[in-house]
Amino acid sequence: SQTIHQWPATLVQPVGSPLSLECTVEGTSNPNLYWYRQAAGRGLQLLFYSVGIGQISSEVPQNLSASRPQDRQFILSSKKLLLSDSGFYLCAWSDRGHFGKLFFGSGTQLSVL
Amino acid sequence: GESVGLHLPTLSVQEGDNSIINCAYSNSASDYFIWYKQESGKGPQFIIDIRSNMDKRQGQRVTVLLNKTVKHLSLQIAATQPGDSAVYFCAENRGGKLIFGQGTELSVKP
Repeated sequence: SQTIHQWPATLVQPVGSPLSLECTVEGTSNPNLYWYRQAAGRGLQLLFYSVGIGQISSEVPQNLSASRPQDRQFILSSKKLLLSDSGFYLCAWSDRGHFGKLFFGSGTQLSVL
Repeated sequence: GESVGLHLPTLSVQEGDNSIINCAYSNSASDYFIWYKQESGKGPQFIIDIRSNMDKRQGQRVTVLLNKTVKHLSLQIAATQPGDSAVYFCAENRGGKLIFGQGTELSVKP
């Protein structure tokens, strides 16, 4: 069966520090991969999605970037965190060609202080 | 602008009663909809989906209804249990991207 791993679960970082969140998927090949952000009490905002290695689409201009160095690995990064980067970050995957049905990781709660 | 939204931000029901969570969408070209359940501090879990060529789909204790005429989607939960307490999101497949509504918090009273 397919599983998705996302870490760390919580992270507290000072303003201006770098960020690296990692997500890996097991049990499937060539998945679509996604990064979402969720502000407290609100819906999910799509940040990035990828349909293949090295292929990244950005949905909103921001202080973040994403990379997909391997088929089942998706990384969310920042060179310098801002206070507004705080939030709950979720990685998700879907079968290639099936963009709708997403399966989510357990999320990373990021607090930028 | 186009959006996927929910009629009510919170819903409180008695244990054992049926719950109905509603969602409105504005993009008539959307062809696929999903309901997710998110418990506190966790990622959303897939509940049920429906394609636009269907009006109704049933799962275990859950039913999704789609009314394309008025662009309305609902999730019905039968015999609501305490474990159903969570935030429920509808999501719309728009051009290959999943767009989420703001969510409805379901609270089940014992």
